[in-house]
Amino acid sequence: AQSVAQPEDQVNVAEGNPLTVKCTYSVSGNPYLFWYVQYPNRGLQFLLKYITGDNLVKGSYGFEAEFNKSQTSFHLKKPSALVSDSALYFCAVRGRDNDMRFGAGTRLTVKP
Amino acid sequence: DSGVTQTPKHLITATGQRVTLRCSPRSGDLSVYWYQQSLDQGLQFLIHYYNGEERAKGNILERFSAQQFPDLHSELNLSSLELGDSALYFCASSVLAHTDTQYFGPGTRLTVL
Repeated sequence: AQSVAQPEDQVNVAEGNPLTVKCTYSVSGNPYLFWYVQYPNRGLQFLLKYITGDNLVKGSYGFEAEFNKSQTSFHLKKPSALVSDSALYFCAVRGRDNDMRFGAGTRLTVKP
Repeated sequence: DSGVTQTPKHLITATGQRVTLRCSPRSGDLSVYWYQQSLDQGLQFLIHYYNGEERAKGNILERFSAQQFPDLHSELNLSSLELGDSALYFCASSVLAHTDTQYFGPGTRLTVL
C-alpha cells in the first residue's frame, strides 16, 4: 500500500522569502502525486499534481513541485511567500489500488 | 468554489444516534470519495464510488455505510455514533478515477455529544 510522509508539522517563513514544504512517498508502481491546501474551516483546494512527464510541475497561486524519483520526494515550493499563503498543506499519493493517501499535513505560517 | 456541495454544514447529535451526510458532485463527475478529518487521525479515506458502484474501501467502520444514487449524488450514513466519530467529513469528486484530480466539498462538521 502507498504512504506519504510530511516530516515537518510546521514551517515558518518570512514574507518574500522562498518556501519549501517537504513530502516523501512510498508506492508500488508509478506514483500519482498531489498537493492540496486547506484554509481554516474550508475544504481542501487542489494546487498541483504529477502524473508523468516533466519533473517540475507548476500549479496554482505560483506554487510548483519537483518530483524526484530517486529520493521518492515531491516537495512543494514557492519562490516568494505571501502572508496569504499561510494554511495547512497536504501531500497525497495514489497508487495501483486507487486509494488516495494523504500526509499528516504541514502548517505553513508566513510572517510579515 | 469547487462545485462540490455538502449538506448539512454542521450537525450536532448524541451518542447512539444515526445521521446521514449528503454530497452532490461536480457536474459531469462520476466518482465520489468520502474522507474523515479528525485531529488525531488526520485525513482518512473512507470509501470511493464510481457511477453508482463501490470501487474502494479505506478505513471505514462497519457502523458507517455509503451509497451513490443514479443521479450521482452520494450519502454517507453513520450509525451508533460514538464521541470519537466527531470530525469533519469531506466529500470529493472526480471525472473518472485514478489520475484525476479530486475536488473537495466544504465538509460537514459532525459533533457527537
